[in-house]
Amino acid sequence: DTAVSQTPKYLVTQMGNDKSIKCEQNLGHDTMYWYKQDSKKFLKIMFSYNNKELIINETVPNRFSPKSPDKAHLNLHINSLELGDSAVYFCASSQEWTANQPQHFGDGTRLSIL
Amino acid sequence: ILNVEQSPQSLHVQEGDSTNFTCSFPSSNFYALHWYRWETAKSPEALFVMTLNGDEKKKGRISATLNTKEGYSYLYIKGSQPEDSATYLCASNAGGTSYGKLTFGQGTILTVHP
Repeated sequence: DTAVSQTPKYLVTQMGNDKSIKCEQNLGHDTMYWYKQDSKKFLKIMFSYNNKELIINETVPNRFSPKSPDKAHLNLHINSLELGDSAVYFCASSQEWTANQPQHFGDGTRLSIL
Repeated sequence: ILNVEQSPQSLHVQEGDSTNFTCSFPSSNFYALHWYRWETAKSPEALFVMTLNGDEKKKGRISATLNTKEGYSYLYIKGSQPEDSATYLCASNAGGTSYGKLTFGQGTILTVHP
């Protein structure tokens, strides 16, 4: 059973479109995260939710909107996609929102904007 | 040090060699240091989470040490095997204002040649 699963794995779309990436974890964790792997391969935090409440909201364009319908799901919706949004996006979860908890990652969603 | 930095960026070793690499992080507001192993086409997998100065952790042939006063951690691999080839990431909350938020280094890419 996959612990943290993201869909889709690949997403190719045109500039200006709106798209969503879904993430689900079956670990019973309270906290979920979205990371973007930038052009230099760094994993940069975008958002974090703890028990469905937004707790980290980094400097990300407001075209990006996370939604957590329950603590097992954290989806990422992106409006008006731009070329610079092309990247790999990773979802992760941890037992609690503390830095001493290991994070469990999904396999990533590779987003390509044409 | 303001960010999490890893060195070297890449490393090539022969099967059977022992190797080590470094993670440097801000020594202020430290709470935890993470090591992850990231194989190509897979998701990052947690190896260790360390919180105490002088901490040492071991998992099979891989071990890690932590010095929070000077802000560094070493990861050691004894008797490297080709299956150890991966990117090794470290992450820390240190230097930030939010103890739940991790900043990742760029990673050390290890290639073990048979």
